[in-house]
Amino acid sequence: GENVEQHPSTLSVQEGDSAVIKCTYSDSASNYFPWYKQELGKRPQLIIDIRSNVGEKKDQRIAVTLNKTAKHFSLHITETQPEDSAVYFCAGDNNAGNMLTFGGGTRLMVKP
Amino acid sequence: GAVVSQHPSWVICKSGTSVKIECRSLDFQATTMFWYRQFPKQSLMLMATSNEGSKATYEQGVEKDKFLINHASLTLSTLTVTSAHPEDSSFYICSARGLDRFYTDTQYFGPGTRLTVL
Repeated sequence: GENVEQHPSTLSVQEGDSAVIKCTYSDSASNYFPWYKQELGKRPQLIIDIRSNVGEKKDQRIAVTLNKTAKHFSLHITETQPEDSAVYFCAGDNNAGNMLTFGGGTRLMVKP
Repeated sequence: GAVVSQHPSWVICKSGTSVKIECRSLDFQATTMFWYRQFPKQSLMLMATSNEGSKATYEQGVEKDKFLINHASLTLSTLTVTSAHPEDSSFYICSARGLDRFYTDTQYFGPGTRLTVL
């Protein structure tokens, strides 16, 4: 089955700096890679996703890149703000396209 | 995005009690629903996957007689923790997958249910 590894597990940045979280996956048949943001005690919220037919997707301060050959994808947050502080989870689809496997999560702390 | 509701949001019960948690997709039909368990500061652990009208598929190590899942319709799934014990205390999150109003196949999470077993 799919195995998703996420790094780093914690990330501390200064407000205004950029943050990058990286994930690798094992199943070359995976085609869908969403990113979720989870604030303390709340549900994971989908913030951006990418499908295998594109290499990059951007939405305001958030961007995701995908390298299918190397089987890794990354989340980039620019001009970080304190409200970006949360746990971020990457995920990859399985071959059948009906299940997500999640990475271990990255706790992002943006210091004002 | 689509809306997934979960009820109750928090429950405290005595050991031995059975607790039912409901998960509803409010504005789309969920072809598949997932139940996750999350311990503090840890990732989401998939417990089971269910398709409407079918028996749930449980992950290894998850007792199906302990965690009963019913997926009666395309908008409702329930998880019943039977004879709950303190070690069952956790944050349970459901997730629904289907075509949202943009006809995009996406997975959305419910707000979670915090179960505390005394």
